[in-house]
Parts: sequence; structure tokens; C-alpha cells
Amino acid sequence: AQSVTQLGSHVSVSEGALVLLRCNYSSSVPPYLFWYVQYPNQGLQLLLKYTSAATLVKGINGFEAEFKKSETSFHLTKPSAHMSDAAEYFCAVSASNTGNQFYFGTGTSLTVIP
Amino acid sequence: DTGVSQDPRHKITKRGQNVTFRCDPISEHNRLYWYRQTLGQGPEFLTYFQNEAQLEKSRLLSDRFSAERPKGSFSTLEIQRTEQGDSAMYLCASSLLNTGQKGYTFGSGTRLTVV
Repeated sequence: AQSVTQLGSHVSVSEGALVLLRCNYSSSVPPYLFWYVQYPNQGLQLLLKYTSAATLVKGINGFEAEFKKSETSFHLTKPSAHMSDAAEYFCAVSASNTGNQFYFGTGTSLTVIP
Repeated sequence: DTGVSQDPRHKITKRGQNVTFRCDPISEHNRLYWYRQTLGQGPEFLTYFQNEAQLEKSRLLSDRFSAERPKGSFSTLEIQRTEQGDSAMYLCASSLLNTGQKGYTFGSGTRLTVV
């Protein structure tokens, strides 16, 4: 079985500050891990994915995430927050042996303070 | 590539009515997925198709929910005898066969309000 836990349902950062959104996963098989972003009244847009290649994954809009198996974590970071980063962020896991469905976390709402 | 299209964007219905939503996936994508997202939650998997075959439907919320993809292209999700608890965003996504490595492309969703 697969699941993810996102710590912190709301995160606020100042513009230009580091963004850190936390995700821990549980998986009975090697996982594939994803971060999605959702703007109000929109669908989900893929930010980045981990699929067992490099553990440090770079995505769109300056975001990156590091897969740490020992910590079962896949935290999302961005060195400098922009106002346009304000959105809801979801971590998701799928089983690498099937990949038929994703299990999403409950999301983290990011607020960027000018 | 026009992305994944969902219709309608918004639907308000009275309790007890039937509703049907449509999803048009990216044309070359052979997998199509339906998810439900309630307020403050992440998307919850409902069902998926590979071409016209519905390969997983045990996660559909009740027998009031059904989905079809008759020609392996667009799909419909029907909810019969709607209840207030069905109010949610219904998301469709599509992908190529090897979903696990590539992730999905999501549509913008259909927001259902049951009054």
C-alpha cells in the first residue's frame, strides 16, 4: 500500500525567502513520487517527478526535490519564493510496479508575503 | 495537443438528479483516470481505463457512480440520484501506458454542487 503525509497544511514565506514543503511517503514497493501544483479552480500541473534515477530532481519554475530513502521523504524546495508561487501543492506516490493510480497527500497551501 | 478537456466546468444540480460529466483526453493517451477532490483534500482515485477497458473500478464510491469510455477516446462519469455529499471537484487525467514514470496530465475539472 502507498500513502503520503504532507506536514503543514499552510505555509507562509516572504517573497525571496526559501520555500520548503514537506512530504513523507509510505510504500510497500519502490515508489514513484510526484509534486503537483494547483491554482484556484484549476486542475493539477506536474512540477517534478522521481522515478528511481537521480535522487535530486529538478522541476519547472525553479522547484526541486530530493528523494531520501532513509527518511522516506521527498521534500519540495525553491531557493527564492515569487508571488506567483502562491498555490496549493500536492505530493503523490504511485507504485513503480503498476503505476495505475496515485495516492495524494492532503496538500499544502503556500502563501507568499510581499 | 489541446490538453485534457472536461465539460462542464461547473454543474449545479438538485439532490436526487442524475448528472453526467465528459472528459476528452490527450488524443494519443491510452489511459484515462477519474479522481474526486473534496474541499481541503487531495484528489482521490475513482477509476481508470486503458483504451476502452475499465481496469479498476472498485474505488468508485458507490453503485450510483459509473464510468464509460466506449470507443477508447472520451469518457463519461455519471452519478445517479445525487446526494449533497457528492459535491466536489471531479478531475479527469490521461497518460500514456507507462503512467508510473511519466505522471498524468490533468484537466481543469468539473465542480459539482448538489443543492
